[in-house]
Amino acid sequence: GENVEQHPSTLSVQEGDSAVIKCTYSDSASNYFPWYKQELGKRPQLIIDIRSNVGEKKDQRIAVTLNKTAKHFSLHITETQPEDSAVYFCAAKRGSTLGRLYFGRGTQLTVWP
Amino acid sequence: DTAVSQTPKYLVTQMGNDKSIKCEQNLGHDTMYWYKQDSKKFLKIMFSYNNKELIINETVPNRFSPKSPDKAHLNLHINSLELGDSAVYFCASSQESASFQETQYFGPGTRLLVL
Repeated sequence: GENVEQHPSTLSVQEGDSAVIKCTYSDSASNYFPWYKQELGKRPQLIIDIRSNVGEKKDQRIAVTLNKTAKHFSLHITETQPEDSAVYFCAAKRGSTLGRLYFGRGTQLTVWP
Repeated sequence: DTAVSQTPKYLVTQMGNDKSIKCEQNLGHDTMYWYKQDSKKFLKIMFSYNNKELIINETVPNRFSPKSPDKAHLNLHINSLELGDSAVYFCASSQESASFQETQYFGPGTRLLVL
């Protein structure tokens, strides 16, 4: 099956700095890569996703990049704010595998004011 | 108009008891899931149903039994609760039959504490 590794497990940045979280995957057939944000005591919520036919996608301060050859993808948050503090999860999925998302172990991001 | 809802939100019970958690989605999705999130925050898939048919059944003790009475509902029954069952249980749903619509939407979670 797929194996998704996520680094770092914890990340602390100063408000206004950028944050980068990296994930690698093992299954070259994976073609859908979502990122979820989970605030303390809340549910995981999708913040951005990318498919394997695209190399980069942006949504305001958030961007995701995908390198299919190297089998890794990254989340970039610019101009971080204290409300960005949360646990972030990457995931990978094969188009042909009904419903199965493989999650990374999460990154606790803390943004200090 | 909550998309994915779960009941109860909190569940405190004694070891050995049997309990159920219910999940409902009003998104018209065809696939539903149960995840377990332990204290280290790892999201572990337990079960998944597509159109009421079990499609994912991870290595979970058979004390856990899911049931999907229809596409909009997925319940989880747990027999003989153990201390290690204490966790947050999330229900999720997605639409797998339509291309590029497989985003999973999570419910608010059920916080289970076994004493």
